Amino acid sequence: TQLLEQSPQFLSIQEGENLTVYCNSSSVFSSLQWYRQEPGEGPVLLVTVVTGGEVKKLKRLTFQFGDARKDSSLHITAAQPGDTGLYLCAGAKGGTSYGKLTFGQGTILTVHP
Amino acid sequence: NAGVTQTPKFQVLKTGQSMTLQCAQDMNHEYMSWYRQDPGMGLRLIHYSVGAGITDQGEVPNGYNVSRSTTEDFPLRLLSAAPSQTSVYFCASSYSGGTRETQYFGPGTRLLVL
Repeated sequence: TQLLEQSPQFLSIQEGENLTVYCNSSSVFSSLQWYRQEPGEGPVLLVTVVTGGEVKKLKRLTFQFGDARKDSSLHITAAQPGDTGLYLCAGAKGGTSYGKLTFGQGTILTVHP
Repeated sequence: NAGVTQTPKFQVLKTGQSMTLQCAQDMNHEYMSWYRQDPGMGLRLIHYSVGAGITDQGEVPNGYNVSRSTTEDFPLRLLSAAPSQTSVYFCASSYSGGTRETQYFGPGTRLLVL
């Protein structure tokens, strides 16, 4: 049973388009993290959201944590080929995760020039 | 700093063989974890450690053993490899940063069990 459901699993778009990736759960998380993973490498942390309703921006990427801390979204504006990769959401419970994260299935994003 | 290092990068095993996947970090992080990544499954936690001498099971611990004798090292042992353990294995480390704790992942070990 996947505690974090990520959608869509695959996304293929043209350069310049906008997109949103969703991460949903029936459980409450104390924090939600978004990672990006390139082929042959480990995931790299993009952002951590902690407070319900929190919005964080990282250049063209906007991350939002749901008010009830059960869901999150990643929005990319004007996608570029360099955004291509695997995007993963991960949730932690408790004040400190102690290295224990629950991951979503991931979204494979391909941005065509 | 080298960050989190993992060896080997690739390994092919026969069913029933045993092996140890090595993981080391030079950031003096308290917490270390092992995950496996399978297509369409994201990453799943195998074992984790909150400090030297302290380990606990994650979501998918069967068939794997860990120990942590030093802060730096956290090896993962496959006792008797099975084809179902074919996967990419990632080691991660983090320090106690509260809810904004950052995990650093190694480059992974790709394991094929025949």
